[in-house]
Amino acid sequence: DAGITQSPRHKVTETGTPVTLRCHQTENHRYMYWYRQDPGHGLRLIHYSYGVKDTDKGEVSDGYSVSRSKTEDFLLTLESATSSQTSVYFCAIGEGGEQYFGPGTRLTVT
Amino acid sequence: SQQGEEDPQALSIQEGENATMNCSYKTSINNLQWYRQNSGRGLVHLILIRSNEREKHSGRLRVTLDTSKKSSSLLITASRAADTASYFCATDSGSNYKLTFGKGTLLTVNP
Repeated sequence: DAGITQSPRHKVTETGTPVTLRCHQTENHRYMYWYRQDPGHGLRLIHYSYGVKDTDKGEVSDGYSVSRSKTEDFLLTLESATSSQTSVYFCAIGEGGEQYFGPGTRLTVT
Repeated sequence: SQQGEEDPQALSIQEGENATMNCSYKTSINNLQWYRQNSGRGLVHLILIRSNEREKHSGRLRVTLDTSKKSSSLLITASRAADTASYFCATDSGSNYKLTFGKGTLLTVNP
């Protein structure tokens, strides 16, 4: 998976609790992205980063925040999880053009 | 909103046959890419075609791009059972290479 890992791989949490997903890369790529994948919607961009401490919103950013304090790590936080955030979350990295995806995190909010 | 829209949604063929998937999009693009996703796994990049290119090949894959019709096609020749997967087109049209994905085509190759 091109030197990209995600943790945890599976998580079940309760509504209202905070959740943080981690994406870690060993490729030193500048760009990092968080997507969610839901049936009937394909992949949708949540947030992305174009450098350390440089982040911006994607198409479905409400309820999510991100942080990137070093090149290799990109964190996605659900401040107060809701059932609508039950999804599979993918991190991706890139240098411009093609992106390389992590294995995904399956998050269930009960 | 979805930029790309794949067609068909599902395709079932026999091993050895060719598979063609189409993608239509709405706005001008910089690049168009195709990705494959095996069940329960992450996406794998297959091929990228730039807006000034019309055709590209990679092994058994052939991608065409028609910017006047805002459409692309992915042809997989001599398909194998291992090609069974979902295929997504993705476009980027602004800065920072942000991708907008279609909903995908589920390809099943029967042995």
